[in-house]
Parts: sequence; structure tokens; C-alpha cells
Amino acid sequence: GAVVSQHPSWVICKSGTSVKIECRSLDFQATTMFWYRQFPKQSLMLMATSNEGSKATYEQGVEKDKFLINHASLTLSTLTVTSAHPEDSSFYICSVHTIGKGTEAFFGQGTRLTVV
Amino acid sequence: GNSVTQMEGPVTLSEEAFLTINCTYTATGYPSLFWYVQYPGEGLQLLLKATKADDKGSNKGFEATYRKETTSFHLEKGSVQVSDSAVYFCALFNSGATNKLIFGTGTLLAVQP
Repeated sequence: GAVVSQHPSWVICKSGTSVKIECRSLDFQATTMFWYRQFPKQSLMLMATSNEGSKATYEQGVEKDKFLINHASLTLSTLTVTSAHPEDSSFYICSVHTIGKGTEAFFGQGTRLTVV
Repeated sequence: GNSVTQMEGPVTLSEEAFLTINCTYTATGYPSLFWYVQYPGEGLQLLLKATKADDKGSNKGFEATYRKETTSFHLEKGSVQVSDSAVYFCALFNSGATNKLIFGTGTLLAVQP
């Protein structure tokens, strides 16, 4: 299956600064990647669908100017949390899907963001 | 629309107990069904899957059977271990709908020695 690498695993930043999280598909060319945010009590929320070479598709209620997504190549998508605030502290996870009857999602290891 | 409902946790069991985590779904057509596991501080890993009715997915002693008549995909294990402590997510993918996995809310399993 696809191997997905997410970096960094954890980051602490000051309020008002921006943080970039990288998601790499190491052995699979992904035209689409997905970004999730995981809230306390494990609830997983899809934030956006990252599309290679075009704009990301954001889920309802997700601020596109706050969470900038860039999918510059078939193996790399980045999520930038701009002007971070403590309420943005969360666990962010990316995934790649192989599509079709054998559909399966492969996840990065996640990034723990703490804004102080 | 498509949705997944799974039992709320936490589920606390003693080692070697029998585990059932219920999952039911709503979908049009013939979705594929999955169980993912998340160990503390990590991303999600595929545990097992089933792509058509009556299929049984199995892995690491866990099993789940795709029941179209009851729209269910309950996760079971005959004898849990402390190392099974994790959060378990039921999910579906419906190729006739959007290109997204639909997740349940997750169930925390805590196994005590």
C-alpha cells in the first residue's frame, strides 16, 4: 500500500505565527489528498480535499484563508495554518486514497499542533 | 446521504474478554466498508475491509462481516489484549457518491491487564 509521510510530527508555535505541515506520498502518485482535523474525544473532521494543480475543495465551515492548502506535485500537499491561535491547537492528519473497488485510505502519522 | 454510526465509548474490557464494537451505515448502492485503528499519538491504520455483501474482513484476530440486510459491519475479537487499546473507526466509501471516506465518530477501547 501507499506510504504517507507527514512532517512535522509535532510543533509548538506562538499565537499569530503561521505553521506549515507537509504531507508526502512516498510511493504513490496522488492527484488528491485529504486533510483532517481530529478533535478531543477522537472525532475526525474532514477539512478539505487537496487537488494537484488546482484549488483545494474545502468542507463547509472551514476557513480557506485560515487553512491554506497547496498541492504542488503528485507527491506533496501542504497545509498552512495562518495566524494561528490557541483554538487551532489540534491533531492534523492527511491521507491518500487509492480509488476503485479496492479503495483504501493511507494516513500520515499526524501532526500535533500546539499554539501558545 | 452516506453516514456511519458506531457505538460510543469508551469500551473498557479485561484482557482476554470478547470485544464487539457496533457499526451501522446508511448509503445508496454498494459501499465498501472499513475498520481503521488509531494507536495513541499516531495516524490511522487500516485494520480490515469488506467490499461486498457477506464478505468477512479479518486481521490480527479481528473480524467484521458486511451485512447488507442489517446495514451493519460490527467489529469483533474473541480475546483482546492490552496492546489492542486504541481508537477504532468504522468507515465507508461509496464510489457512486463523492470521493471521500465517511467516518464514524470513533470508539475508544481500553483493555486492562
